Amino acid sequence: DAEITQSPRHKITETGRQVTLACHQTWNHNNMFWYRQDLGHGLRLIHYSYGVQDTNKGEVSDGYSVSRSNTEDLPLTLESAASSQTSVYFCASGRAGSYEQYFGPGTRLTVT
Amino acid sequence: QKEVEQNSGPLSVPEGAIASLNCTYSDRGSQSFFWYRQYSGKSPELIMSIYSNGDKEDGRFTAQLNKASQYVSLLIRDSQPSDSATYLCAVFLYNQGGKLIFGQGTELSVKP
Repeated sequence: DAEITQSPRHKITETGRQVTLACHQTWNHNNMFWYRQDLGHGLRLIHYSYGVQDTNKGEVSDGYSVSRSNTEDLPLTLESAASSQTSVYFCASGRAGSYEQYFGPGTRLTVT
Repeated sequence: QKEVEQNSGPLSVPEGAIASLNCTYSDRGSQSFFWYRQYSGKSPELIMSIYSNGDKEDGRFTAQLNKASQYVSLLIRDSQPSDSATYLCAVFLYNQGGKLIFGQGTELSVKP
């Protein structure tokens, strides 16, 4: 069955380290998104992509980067992890021309 | 005014009752509206999409859209304890460069 997966599911890292969170979908969706979810802030968009080689900043993109080299994957990199980036991270994907988004299981990241 | 607003709840209803969840949005030009269900510790799951004024029914769920009032709601008939979750309203906002903006969610508790 087609699906969207995230890895790792849980990660503990230290301040200042570079961290990469993986997102992989087998639906052949053009659109992919990264969100973070925090108490009191809800879901906030970090970066998104509408196709290979296309990336765009969301509302909370500082300290994060993405690259899209194929349809299936959109890895999220924290260049130098900060305690403020402790959060639950969700990847989502959707078909071209559709605004519906389907979420992965999430990655819980703790920065100590 | 927030772009997408929901009552945070918790909303408590007895089993078998109708649960009514409400959402207002700021962009009068929005055309696409979604309801997601999120169980504690899990990822958001798309349960309803609505694009036209009026009602859309899917099983025990009915989404209602009133663009003139900038209001979208979700009714859950014959509520079950398994419906206990946080319900997220999401609106595609054209005036934000075309992004899906989520409300902070309404927590629903269905008591047996």
